[in-house]
Amino acid sequence: AQSVTQPDARVTVSEGASLQLRCKYSYSGTPYLFWYVQYPRQGLQLLLKYYSGDPVVQGVNGFEAEFIKSNSSFHLRKASVHWSDSAVYFCAVSQNSGGSNYKLTFGKGTLLTVTP
Amino acid sequence: EAAVTQSPRSKVAVTGGKVTLSCHQTNNHDYMYWYRQDTGHGLRLIHYSYVADSTEKGDIPDGYKASRPSQENFSLILELASLSQTAVYFCASSELGGSQNTLYFGAGTRLSVL
Repeated sequence: AQSVTQPDARVTVSEGASLQLRCKYSYSGTPYLFWYVQYPRQGLQLLLKYYSGDPVVQGVNGFEAEFIKSNSSFHLRKASVHWSDSAVYFCAVSQNSGGSNYKLTFGKGTLLTVTP
Repeated sequence: EAAVTQSPRSKVAVTGGKVTLSCHQTNNHDYMYWYRQDTGHGLRLIHYSYVADSTEKGDIPDGYKASRPSQENFSLILELASLSQTAVYFCASSELGGSQNTLYFGAGTRLSVL
């Protein structure tokens, strides 16, 4: 069974500082990996996704993530955070299959607070 | 721009009562989903559908029914609401059901069962 672990329930960083949100997955094959963000009182929005090729993927608003298969990780990074980045970030994994019977598994989320 | 609209945005229900959560999408997507979000947990899939008049069970379907009367509309029904069903519910749609596809989420419905 696939699973996702986000070890940090809460992260606080200062505006302008760099950011890394950790994500580790468990899946027997090569997975599809996603980061979604949930801003206050909104639904989730896709930040970026990885399914093949360059292990470093770029997303919206300056976010990027690196797929490290040997470590089963897909950490999210940003060089310089802004107060508007305060949100809940979810890592998710799905099976590497083009069929319709897929399953997307979410982590528990990391609440990011950016302080002035 | 893709749009998924949920109603109501919040609801208070009594134990044993019937609750219907509605979802409408204007994305022309075939796939629609209902997820539940609890504090300290990720999103968990309740039901999904890939065509009108057909629904499929997700990971936690017990206590929930779903209805897909048209491509645009997808409802989640709690016939006998229970305290344990207090949560935030999200509807989502996707163009296809494959693993690569992006999900587009509504803003959520906060349900409190008392």
